[in-house]
Order: sequence, then structure tokens, then C-alpha cells
Amino acid sequence: NAGVTQTPKFQVLKTGQSMTLQCAQDMNHNSMYWYRQDPGMGLRLIYYSASEGTTDKGEVPNGYNVSRLNKREFSLRLESAAPSQTSVYFCASTSAATLLVYNEQFFGPGTRLTVL
Amino acid sequence: LAKTTQPISMDSYEGQEVNITCSHNNIATNDYITWYQQFPSQGPRFIIQGYKTKVTNEVASLFIPADRKSSTLSLPRVSLSDTAVYYCLVGESTNAGKSTFGDGTTLTVKP
Repeated sequence: NAGVTQTPKFQVLKTGQSMTLQCAQDMNHNSMYWYRQDPGMGLRLIYYSASEGTTDKGEVPNGYNVSRLNKREFSLRLESAAPSQTSVYFCASTSAATLLVYNEQFFGPGTRLTVL
Repeated sequence: LAKTTQPISMDSYEGQEVNITCSHNNIATNDYITWYQQFPSQGPRFIIQGYKTKVTNEVASLFIPADRKSSTLSLPRVSLSDTAVYYCLVGESTNAGKSTFGDGTTLTVKP
């Protein structure tokens, strides 16, 4: 199993350009997440998808859109990139949690994005 | 979401036991406590999870007092390779499993 994969690994954009970050998992997980991590800081949740066909905003959703294409894939789109979106983006997934059971998140290797 | 507070950094020496405490005063009844480890240029990796009392696995122990307002991650006999950032999370027990990462504790293990 590859686990959680992300493409691309690195990307440089100019202000105003758009791009889509791709994430896929092969663990048959129901829930998927997008985080951003700024230098020296913790991860902040952008969007998440509890199950196929649903998406919800996290802490910092402004400037982003997501698509849960199918159970395996969850993409993050920047419509008009800004320098403030320079960050490392992590995708994660977890299996569905039953009541009172919390499941660990599995993280991808990250996409390092620079917006000039 | 329950907010967590951890020390920003800690230093230790090889072979010592390290205890990292996390405060989560407004933890909800259904919340679990989970710790992750992150090395530079990598995504976080699950270490341990608990609800109350003590949990132990091959990597670490997690101590949670009765009021659950704090928790302590214990790493026995650390080595240089344990140098990393450690995050404490308090998570919802729903299908979303949504949690909040704080800024973490940077542990530096010295020879």
C-alpha cells in the first residue's frame, strides 16, 4: 500500500495563478483532510471531508476550494494564489470513527508551495 | 474544539526519560487525546492515543489524570532520532475525527 500520496511535491506560482493539489489514499478511508503548515508552526485545518460526497470548512478555508472526487481522492484548489498561501500543504485520511473511538490520521508527504 | 497548550521546546540527553505535558482544560466528554510526532519535511506520524488513565505501547506511554484536563506523553530512554516536534491533539469522536493541532513541542535530544 502506498498510503497517502500527494502531487506535486513542490510548486512555485505567481500571484493570481491557480492550481490544484492532488491527494489520494489507498486505505479505503472515509475521511480526508487538508492542512497547511507555515514555517515553525503547527498544522491548521483548511477543509475536510467526513465521507464521499461531503465537505466542510476547517479553521482557515478562505481562498481555497475542495473536491471529494471519489472515496480515494480529495483535491485542494487555489483559484487565485496569494503570497500568504505560501506554505506546506498536507493531506491526511482516517477510517470512519465509531462512537467514542477516534482513529489516527495518516498523513501524506506534503506539497511545498511558494507564491511569488 | 478543545484548545491545547504545550511547552514550545524541551531539551534532553540520550538515554533520559522525557515527559511532555499538554493542557486541554475544555476537553469534551467524547474527546480522545492523541499525540503525533513530526520530523522535518515529513507529515506527522501517530504515536499514541488515550481516553483516560494510562496507555502504553512500544514507543511511548500516555498518562491522563481523572479530570482529563491535561495529559503527559512519556518517552523512555530517548535517542538522537527522537528529536522532532510533538503535537498533542484533542479530537471529536465523530466520523469526521476533526482535531486541532497546536504549535507543538520541539524536542531536541543531545548526545
